[in-house]
Amino acid sequence: QQQVKQSPQSLIVQKGGISIINCAYENTAFDYFPWYQQFPGKGPALLIAIRPDVSEKKEGRFTISFNKSAKQFSLHIMDSQPGDSATYFCAAQTASGGSYIPTFGRGTSLIVHP
Amino acid sequence: GAVVSQHPSRVICKSGTSVKIECRSLDFQATTMFWYRQFPKKSLMLMATSNEGSKATYEQGVEKDKFLINHASLTLSTLTVTSAHPEDSSFYICSARDRGDQPQHFGDGTRLSIL
Repeated sequence: QQQVKQSPQSLIVQKGGISIINCAYENTAFDYFPWYQQFPGKGPALLIAIRPDVSEKKEGRFTISFNKSAKQFSLHIMDSQPGDSATYFCAAQTASGGSYIPTFGRGTSLIVHP
Repeated sequence: GAVVSQHPSRVICKSGTSVKIECRSLDFQATTMFWYRQFPKKSLMLMATSNEGSKATYEQGVEKDKFLINHASLTLSTLTVTSAHPEDSSFYICSARDRGDQPQHFGDGTRLSIL
């Protein structure tokens, strides 16, 4: 059972365009939603994260939009650059049981063409 | 801040060998460390969670006698793949966090190749 559904699986964007990756979750107890960026041969790196008390968070060119009622959140990459080409994972975690173990989406492979 | 160092980055060894992978938190105390396995173009598969000084909690389907995890200090966890076989070849990634409501910070992974 996949608790966090991520789409699309792959995305191709032209330089300067907007990249949008969507995630949907089922467990309403999730209360922390990080996004990770992974380059080939490297571990994931925390990119940006949001808690459900806000609907949007922006850090530079990266924005998370959060819709609590729809149980969806998305990552927007503005002015996409070739250096943004990587795999992006959304995640969701909860304090339930004190475990805080995150559930990851399946990842989106982003290619930004120059 | 929040740097996690994983070593070695790559291991190539013969079938039957045991391999140890180290994961260190360099600038924070890692109350909890996680070990993941990642197949090509796939998501992260959680193998086990370890809290300092406690036995690791393994996910369903992960053999605890095959993948030995030790978290002896607040800055070091090790994963030992015992009697490794070609099917154990994979990309292993550790992560660490201090408080439970904080994000994980990942190491750069270890590419394990068993011949």
